[in-house]
Amino acid sequence: GAVVSQHPSWVICKSGTSVKIECRSLDFQATTMFWYRQFPKQSLMLMATSNEGSKATYEQGVEKDKFLINHASLTLSTLTVTSAHPEDSSFYICSASNPQESTDTQYFGPGTRLTVL
Amino acid sequence: SQKIEQNSEALNIQEGKTATLTCNYTNYSPAYLQWYRQDPGRGPVFLLLIRENEKEKKKERLKVTFDTTLKQSLFHITASQPADSATYLCAPDSSASKIIFGSGTRLSIRP
Repeated sequence: GAVVSQHPSWVICKSGTSVKIECRSLDFQATTMFWYRQFPKQSLMLMATSNEGSKATYEQGVEKDKFLINHASLTLSTLTVTSAHPEDSSFYICSASNPQESTDTQYFGPGTRLTVL
Repeated sequence: SQKIEQNSEALNIQEGKTATLTCNYTNYSPAYLQWYRQDPGRGPVFLLLIRENEKEKKKERLKVTFDTTLKQSLFHITASQPADSATYLCAPDSSASKIIFGSGTRLSIRP
């Protein structure tokens, strides 16, 4: 199988603090991982592509200095929401594809619910 | 620009009937198309993949068709059950190394 985990599953923080979310591929190595954000009753919005050993690629409109992505190993990518504000409250989900498969089928983490007070 | 449209935001049908969801795409020719299911507060789960040279693919009560002329995929759930209630997302293969999802269709199966 291909399992992706996220930690924490939920977090509540005060405005102005930074929050780190971890995404791990448990049974495969992922050179590329993706970070999405989802607001209530809306679809997934791709934020950035996390590349192991190199800089992340951000989608248009996503502030790279606000959402710091680090992909330090083949099984771990982290997303840090810096100086979080209430409008950053959302559901953050990561995904990865198994390079041993011939397609880009994405295996998603369970998501992290961020609430900024 | 590449665009993905899923037929309706929400679909409400009677248990036991067949649910049919539509995914239309424009301005590109994907080599394959994927369907995912997402439950509230959870990450999406992969269901089926259909390639451009396949007309139809089945998995238990699920069936997907892929019409590259119409640039459309249909997703069917036969003998629908309340447990099938979820949001279903389509994702045509993109020319870039990333997957872009449609906006999703929220399916509700009423007993």
